[in-house]
Amino acid sequence: EAEVAQSPRYKITEKSQAVAFWCDPISGHATLYWYRQILGQGPELLVQFQDESVVDDSQLPKDRFSAERLKGVDSTLKIQPAELGDSAMYLCASSLASRNTEAFFGQGTRLTVV
Amino acid sequence: EDKVVQSPLSLVVHEGDTVTLNCSYEVTNFRSLLWYKQEKKAPTFLFMLTSSGIEKKSGRLSSILDKKELSSILNITATQTGDSAIYLCAVDADSNYQLIWGAGTKLIIKP
Repeated sequence: EAEVAQSPRYKITEKSQAVAFWCDPISGHATLYWYRQILGQGPELLVQFQDESVVDDSQLPKDRFSAERLKGVDSTLKIQPAELGDSAMYLCASSLASRNTEAFFGQGTRLTVV
Repeated sequence: EDKVVQSPLSLVVHEGDTVTLNCSYEVTNFRSLLWYKQEKKAPTFLFMLTSSGIEKKSGRLSSILDKKELSSILNITATQTGDSAIYLCAVDADSNYQLIWGAGTKLIIKP
């Protein structure tokens, strides 16, 4: 069964260091999402791609976060420098289209900043 | 401001009980409502409800959309310990390009 792949599964980093996450969506899914989820809360959208284009990054802290999907397939999310408050689960999801269709989530990357 | 509110925030029941989880929303130009189950890691899709599909059922789980009351319920009958999870509700609306997520209901099923 096709699934969204994410790596690494866990990451511990010191504050002020750089960290990167990778996501490979389900083949054929044009829409890719990066979410951040803090324990006890729903996912918060950081950035949404349609193919290689960013369609929504209004909640991405652009002073330290960046995301790219250069060939419209896999994507990376980078944080530099990491701060203690960035500790969270980072979820990647993909869907066939951007509206009225379910998104499929990867297993996530649990980031701990120390 | 668009918002999605889930209740209760947490619920503890015994195996075999029936539970009802609620999701209410305030959005402009509703399109669809989605239910997800989140165990230890990623949310997994359960149902999508739209104006043309207001009731869905899969095994012991069922969901109904009430567009008049701007809400949805998720029912789980004959609960099992494997149903223990966080149940998330999200709404797709024209007023917002992204899904609007609720905070989730944490369901614990005791044996």
